[in-house]
Amino acid sequence: SAVISQKPSRDICQRGTSLTIQCQVDSQVTMMFWYRQQPGQSLTLIATANQGSEATYESGFVIDKFPISRPNLTFSTLTVSNMSPEDSSIYLCSVLGGIGGAFFGQGTRLTVV
Amino acid sequence: TQLLEQSPQFLSIQEGENLTVYCNSSSVFSSLQWYRQEPGEGPVLLVTVVTGGEVKKLKRLTFQFGDARKDSSLHITAAQTGDTGLYLCAGLSIQGAQKLVFGQGTRLTINP
Repeated sequence: SAVISQKPSRDICQRGTSLTIQCQVDSQVTMMFWYRQQPGQSLTLIATANQGSEATYESGFVIDKFPISRPNLTFSTLTVSNMSPEDSSIYLCSVLGGIGGAFFGQGTRLTVV
Repeated sequence: TQLLEQSPQFLSIQEGENLTVYCNSSSVFSSLQWYRQEPGEGPVLLVTVVTGGEVKKLKRLTFQFGDARKDSSLHITAAQTGDTGLYLCAGLSIQGAQKLVFGQGTRLTINP
């Protein structure tokens, strides 16, 4: 298993500003994943963050809007840029376990006003 | 694109009843997982099934992986109010980059 610490746990932000979410894992992992969970919905993968290379973004998500850093094997950040109310969601970071199951941080609940 | 269709999306039943949640796809997955998520928390892994036809039991929860590894079910026997939550199935892609595909989720409410 893996323990994932994510912060902040929640924030209320003004539209047009940016928020950086941090994710710390208690072990070294090759890939870290960032998801968005809109209210009452399931998880949508934003991007996969690999150490030493650029993140791989899913369709509908772009680096300018969601820049990701991965400076080492235990840490990653996701920035939500130029926020609008439509960005209000829960953002989750995750790593895969040994047999494909994933472990998640507690999530960051973002409200954009 | 691999998709997982999860049903029902909402289910409200009385304590003591049984229920089944389904997760179906036209794609083959290398493994399939079930998660439970409570408000304010990230999803928590309940089980991973890997082999076609596999059945796993976790107390009152029974998980089954289809023979063709395209579908799965979660059956809860004698539901309790503590089972209330969002249940998510997710499949690990068999090709290309390793990543999970999530179903839409089932919001389960168990009424006392």
